[in-house]
Amino acid sequence: AQSVTQLGSHVSVSEGALVLLRCNYSSSVPPYLFWYVQYPNQGLQLLLKYTSAATLVKGINGFEAEFKKSETSFHLTKPSAHMSDAAEYFCAVRTQGGSEKLVFGKGTKLTVNP
Amino acid sequence: DAGVIQSPRHEVTEMGQEVTLRCKPISGHNSLFWYRQTMMRGLELLIYFNNNVPIDDSGMPEDRFSAKMPNASFSTLKIQPSEPRDSAVYFCASSFRQGYEQYFGPGTRLTVT
Repeated sequence: AQSVTQLGSHVSVSEGALVLLRCNYSSSVPPYLFWYVQYPNQGLQLLLKYTSAATLVKGINGFEAEFKKSETSFHLTKPSAHMSDAAEYFCAVRTQGGSEKLVFGKGTKLTVNP
Repeated sequence: DAGVIQSPRHEVTEMGQEVTLRCKPISGHNSLFWYRQTMMRGLELLIYFNNNVPIDDSGMPEDRFSAKMPNASFSTLKIQPSEPRDSAVYFCASSFRQGYEQYFGPGTRLTVT
């Protein structure tokens, strides 16, 4: 069975500081991995996805993530936080070629301080 | 494109009443997903359809929940009878085909009193 663990339910950074949101996955077969962002009272929006091509994936709004098979990780980073990045971020996993079912982590709420 | 459309956006009902949530997927998408989000359990997949056929309903909590997709442009999630523990935000999402990302609607916030 697949699972996702997001370390830290809340992360707080200063504007302009590095953003690092951690995601570790468990999957017995090669995974597809996703990061979604949810702004208050809105649905989830895809930030980026890993589908077995390049291990460093660039997404929207300056975010990127690196797939590290040896560490079963897919951490999300952004070099410089902006106030508009304050939101909740979800990591998700699904198997390649299998069910379309996405398994989500519990989410990490990012606060950006001025 | 208008994106995934859900209605109503908010629903308040009394315990025991029937609730119907509606979803219109993005035109041309052939997979549709219903999720529930709560503070306690996070985001859970309830059921998904591919080409209007239910593929995986293992997340449907119990027989009080049912979902239908009569055609490619419409789906419903029904709860009968509703209970306070059903209070949550329900999201609908759609995707173009297997392997592609899912696009989420704005959600329906359900409150059962």
